[in-house]
Amino acid sequence: GQQLNQSPQSMFIQEGEDVSMNCTSSSIFNTWLWYKQDPGEGPVLLIALYKAGELTSNGRLTAQFGITRKDSFLNISASIPSDVGIYFCAGPVSDSGGGADGLTFGKGTHLIIQP
Amino acid sequence: DAGITQSPRHKVTETGTPVTLRCHQTENHRYMYWYRQDPGHGLRLIHYSYGVKDTDKGEVSDGYSVSRSKTEDFLLTLESATSSQTSVYFCAISDSLREAQHFGDGTRLSIL
Repeated sequence: GQQLNQSPQSMFIQEGEDVSMNCTSSSIFNTWLWYKQDPGEGPVLLIALYKAGELTSNGRLTAQFGITRKDSFLNISASIPSDVGIYFCAGPVSDSGGGADGLTFGKGTHLIIQP
Repeated sequence: DAGITQSPRHKVTETGTPVTLRCHQTENHRYMYWYRQDPGHGLRLIHYSYGVKDTDKGEVSDGYSVSRSKTEDFLLTLESATSSQTSVYFCAISDSLREAQHFGDGTRLSIL
């Protein structure tokens, strides 16, 4: 199946810093999704992107759908302690399924904020 | 949390025993999914359903079966559990092809 490569695997940052992470694929995606997972909970949707070149914000979070449709970026500005967690990118398993046949996920970026 | 309840939340069982996990939704969404999450692998799709009695296999379906007799319930069964099926299992739902999926809080399953 399609694979999503997330980087970095983990990030150690100071509170107040900006964060950037990305997700790449060898295949084209028509939808990019960004989720955050806290310990002991399920992933929670942060941002959904449906169009190449699209730039979407959700509070301090901004995500972009790469123009090649093979990558996406997530930025967090002025990080705070509650931003700690694992961030996943995801896209539809198949283009023909449109997402109905499930999502494929990257392996996640662990964000750790040092006081 | 998008009206999704997974049960049980935790289970410990022995190799060779049957196990059934339940996902219940109150959103009347058409699509339901089962994923497993393991360290180093992220989330991987096991099975999914696109309507009552309509199911299909995902990436890691071997050793698992599913059933959906009602819109609100999606069951995942391990007929004879193995230690390799120790994992955290997540159910997800969505209402349309373009809508992103929403996840339950997971079931932590340990097979000894």
